[in-house]
Amino acid sequence: GNSVTQMEGPVTLSEEAFLTINCTYTATGYPSLFWYVQYPGEGLQLLLKATKADDKGSNKGFEATYRKETTSFHLEKGSVQVSDSAVYFCALSVSGGSYIPTFGRGTSLIVHP
Amino acid sequence: DAGVIQSPRHEVTEMGQEVTLRCKPISGHNSLFWYRQTMMRGLELLIYFNNNVPIDDSGMPEDRFSAKMPNASFSTLKIQPSEPRDSAVYFCASSLEGTSGYREQYFGPGTRLTVT
Repeated sequence: GNSVTQMEGPVTLSEEAFLTINCTYTATGYPSLFWYVQYPGEGLQLLLKATKADDKGSNKGFEATYRKETTSFHLEKGSVQVSDSAVYFCALSVSGGSYIPTFGRGTSLIVHP
Repeated sequence: DAGVIQSPRHEVTEMGQEVTLRCKPISGHNSLFWYRQTMMRGLELLIYFNNNVPIDDSGMPEDRFSAKMPNASFSTLKIQPSEPRDSAVYFCASSLEGTSGYREQYFGPGTRLTVT
């Protein structure tokens, strides 16, 4: 089956620190990979995506590269802000397979001024 | 586009009462998902509709839960009777399933349900 494993949180950083949130996956087919972000009191929203190996998704200063050889899609940001405090979910969906996406458990990020 | 619309945003009810949550997906989307989120269990998929037909309801906790999608622009999730352990945030999400190979979901703001 399909699965997504994320590092457990919370991740606590000071403003302007470098962020990495690890995500690895297993998939029965060729997956597309996503990072979603959930701000307090809101629903999840797509942050970035990558649909094939070696693609880099990027948005709002966040980046993640689709690494097929290591089955990973780690999220990075060079300088976090207090406003980045949120829960981040890694997810995948498989082309030609079930339409149901697979989500990780989520990683909470807390950024202090 | 207004995005996925859910109502009510907050619901407080007593144990044993019927609760109905509503969702309007994004116009043109052909798939709809209901999720439940709690601190203990995280984000759980309850049911998935494609073209208004329930495709996978294996996540529905028990017979107290039911979901309908009478048309492409409306869905309901009903809990009858409600219990305190149903307290959670319920999200509706929609997507456009096609041949693109990826299925981005658009989430609504959620309904926070409290059962006392």
